[in-house]
Amino acid sequence: NAGVTQTPKFQVLKTGQSMTLQCAQDMNHNSMYWYRQDPGMGLRLIYYSASEGTTDKGEVPNGYNVSRLNKREFSLRLESAAPSQTSVYFCASRGATGATGELFFGEGSRLTVL
Amino acid sequence: RKEVEQDPGPFNVPEGATVAFNCTYSNSASQSFFWYRQDCRKEPKLLMSVYSSGNEDGRFTAQLNRASQYISLLIRDSKLSDSATYLCVVGVTGGGNKLTFGTGTQLKVEL
Repeated sequence: NAGVTQTPKFQVLKTGQSMTLQCAQDMNHNSMYWYRQDPGMGLRLIYYSASEGTTDKGEVPNGYNVSRLNKREFSLRLESAAPSQTSVYFCASRGATGATGELFFGEGSRLTVL
Repeated sequence: RKEVEQDPGPFNVPEGATVAFNCTYSNSASQSFFWYRQDCRKEPKLLMSVYSSGNEDGRFTAQLNRASQYISLLIRDSKLSDSATYLCVVGVTGGGNKLTFGTGTQLKVEL
């Protein structure tokens, strides 16, 4: 059982380049999330999808777009990467409704923007 | 004021010691509370949920104090393998069922 799978695990971009982080979960979860983690800042929510077909902004959405392709997949796109987007990105999913329920995380994608 | 605040540490303790972490939250409408553990350069993983009545899982005990708006985590008989960062997570139902993470408290258990 793979759980939550993210690709790529590492990426180096130049300022202005674009890229898409892919995330897939095999737990039949309704909700999926993208977080970024920076030193001293904790995990901050970028975007989330409460169910297939819906997406909403989180705390730090600027510079990002998302697509909930189907129930399994939730991608995060950087259209024009900036050095401030250097971070570790985590995708997560959760099956329970409401604010309860365990978040399952992928292993993270380490992005460096030069 | 941050929505969820934790002492970043590090807490350096000898093996076998008891250590406690607190976490304060600002939103009185918060309804769900968790402790996650994160090892260096790894993803966070659920350690335990925190219930109103408090709960215990082996050497770990979590408490919730709604009046003072804080949760705590107590680790007894610390092991070297407990060395990690402990993240406090608070949830609010509605508005996307938002979960807010604290910045984490680093624990180092030493011989």
